[in-house]
Amino acid sequence: GESVGLHLPTLSVQEGDNSIINCAYSNSASDYFIWYKQESGKGPQFIIDIRSNMDKRQGQRVTVLLNKTVKHLSLQIAATQPGDSAVYFCAENAVWGGSNYKLTFGKGTLLTVNP
Amino acid sequence: DGGITQSPKYLFRKEGQNVTLSCEQNLNHDAMYWYRQDPGQGLRLIYYSQIVNDFQKGDIAEGYSVSREKKESFPLTVTSAQKNPTAFYLCASTSSAGRQGNQPQHFGDGTRLSIL
Repeated sequence: GESVGLHLPTLSVQEGDNSIINCAYSNSASDYFIWYKQESGKGPQFIIDIRSNMDKRQGQRVTVLLNKTVKHLSLQIAATQPGDSAVYFCAENAVWGGSNYKLTFGKGTLLTVNP
Repeated sequence: DGGITQSPKYLFRKEGQNVTLSCEQNLNHDAMYWYRQDPGQGLRLIYYSQIVNDFQKGDIAEGYSVSREKKESFPLTVTSAQKNPTAFYLCASTSSAGRQGNQPQHFGDGTRLSIL
């Protein structure tokens, strides 16, 4: 898994398996989290978000889990497909510079799906 | 279709030259952002703008400048003072008002800048 600030890890799975990508965040005041998917040469694409008053949120084939006690976020992808191959990264939102809010992005996890 | 358009897709800069990267959005978003992405690293904030005619420095603003004369446009100039400009530059926007951080940022497809 990844941590906001660590070396880019990789995850290799077989087509049809479930994938779990992890993210550890550092700011206990962060109250909003986003997962993005980035394909080579393209901009990040929004996947799913979750607010700190929730611990689970589901989308189409994706689930995000938030554990505020240990400051951990995970993205689960069901029935992983070759088109899911990309870099996935999490972002956390917290107060920055007084009244402003800033998203801090992790370095990402490279997901490779083998056919 | 609504979205964010960045141009050009590839850009080459000569030593001592300023270059400007374009970012246009038709999402009617108030807030716009510029990030720099280097291999194996997360996105780093260069500048952001919450409203027209207002912008603030991010974490790595040195060697860069921006303007926000129109809601739809937030161009980034990479000046000759930026000694290591080679990177992938991403523009993003979000609807704002109040806690705009609690809205996902939407990204363009980036401009890759290289030195000749």
